[in-house]
Amino acid sequence: RKEVEQDPGPFNVPEGATVAFNCTYSNSASQSFFWYRQDCRKEPKLLMSVYSSGNEDGRFTAQLNRASQYISLLIRDSKLSDSATYLCVVNSFTGGGNKLTFGTGTQLKVEL
Amino acid sequence: NAGVTQTPKFRILKIGQSMTLQCTQDMNHNYMYWYRQDPGMGLKLIYYSVGAGITDKGEVPNGYNVSRSTTEDFPLRLELAAPSQTSVYFCASSYPRNTEAFFGQGTRLTVV
Repeated sequence: RKEVEQDPGPFNVPEGATVAFNCTYSNSASQSFFWYRQDCRKEPKLLMSVYSSGNEDGRFTAQLNRASQYISLLIRDSKLSDSATYLCVVNSFTGGGNKLTFGTGTQLKVEL
Repeated sequence: NAGVTQTPKFRILKIGQSMTLQCTQDMNHNYMYWYRQDPGMGLKLIYYSVGAGITDKGEVPNGYNVSRSTTEDFPLRLELAAPSQTSVYFCASSYPRNTEAFFGQGTRLTVV
């Protein structure tokens, strides 16, 4: 089983739609969680951290369910500029220190 | 601040050649990482370091070597380049635990 699993997509949605991405992780000892955004041929950049209480940043809402080892990202009122790949990232503490593990990413295409 | 700087941005190698990908950060981060990303795929961890003098293998370390003699620098060495090492290589850094990772702009390597 992969450490971090995501549906690769692509998700093709019209502008203004609401879209949700899911991610599961296998290491129950994982400590922190993030969503990164990656534009084509660019480096990943942090979109938002994910907290157990859930957190919202404008049109973006992230949720964490530790019992189910599940993370979600909801994007409301999609914009053309939201088209990108969204990476689920899990931070686990190993004997050697922190290790960031990336999912393969979910591709989003927002269309007119 | 420059953040994380990678050089070179592009490189073509012949099979069997060697090279070093340079990575330096000016944020005084303890943690540094090397990832590779194949076309249409997620990021795979090659090596990481939790501080100067300490390195550890990631998911795909074969064919690579690293060193961490200073906090700032984390070079990745390819010995005997193979076509399977054609990829985009990203270097990243972060503070210990539960914090955002910052990425360099990537090195696009082609082995022919």
